[in-house]
Amino acid sequence: EPEVTQTPSHQVTQMGQEVILRCVPISNHLYFYWYRQILGQKVEFLVSFYNNEISEKSEIFDDQFSVERPDGSNFTLKIRSTKLEDSAMYFCASSELGTGDYEQYFGPGTRLTVT
Amino acid sequence: AQKVTQAQTEISVVEKEDVTLDCVYETRDTTYYLFWYKQPPSGELVFLIRRNSFDEQNEISGRYSWNFQKSTSSFNFTITASQVVDSAVYFCALRARNTGGFKTIFGAGTRLFVKA
Repeated sequence: EPEVTQTPSHQVTQMGQEVILRCVPISNHLYFYWYRQILGQKVEFLVSFYNNEISEKSEIFDDQFSVERPDGSNFTLKIRSTKLEDSAMYFCASSELGTGDYEQYFGPGTRLTVT
Repeated sequence: AQKVTQAQTEISVVEKEDVTLDCVYETRDTTYYLFWYKQPPSGELVFLIRRNSFDEQNEISGRYSWNFQKSTSSFNFTITASQVVDSAVYFCALRARNTGGFKTIFGAGTRLFVKA
């Protein structure tokens, strides 16, 4: 069964460094998403992406964040200058289309630790 | 505005007990989708069920069952004869077709401990 994959599974970085989290969505899916889960808290929506542009973003997704689909398979989340509070699990998801009747498939997550 | 409330932060049961996890949602949309996810200690999100707002039929899948009641805006999840492997955090979630955009709104989660 096709699945969303994410690399790395765990990333440790120093405050102020740039990080890129990578995701490979399911191949025939057109909508891509990033969610964040701070340890012990709920999963929060960051951004959705369709047709090479952001379709929706939350207030968390400020200028420090950017997303890109650099080629036909990868979908990346970049954090320009990491802060301690960026430490969280980041989940990528994809769906065939954007409406709610299409399942969002979640990847296994990347645990980001900022020291 | 969309909102999902899981009032139970933690529940602890003994193996073989039945347990119900509560979920109450808010949306102005008439077309919406409700979900339950399981998050085991390893951290991934495991999809359990999706329900659309037009289908109020309750569903049973093995030891799992779901009770969807539009009148009370609730979508509760029951595990029958719980097992230690059911220990996890369970999230209820909502997507609204028109007003919710593309995002899934998650509740705060309920941490379930099943003791042997």
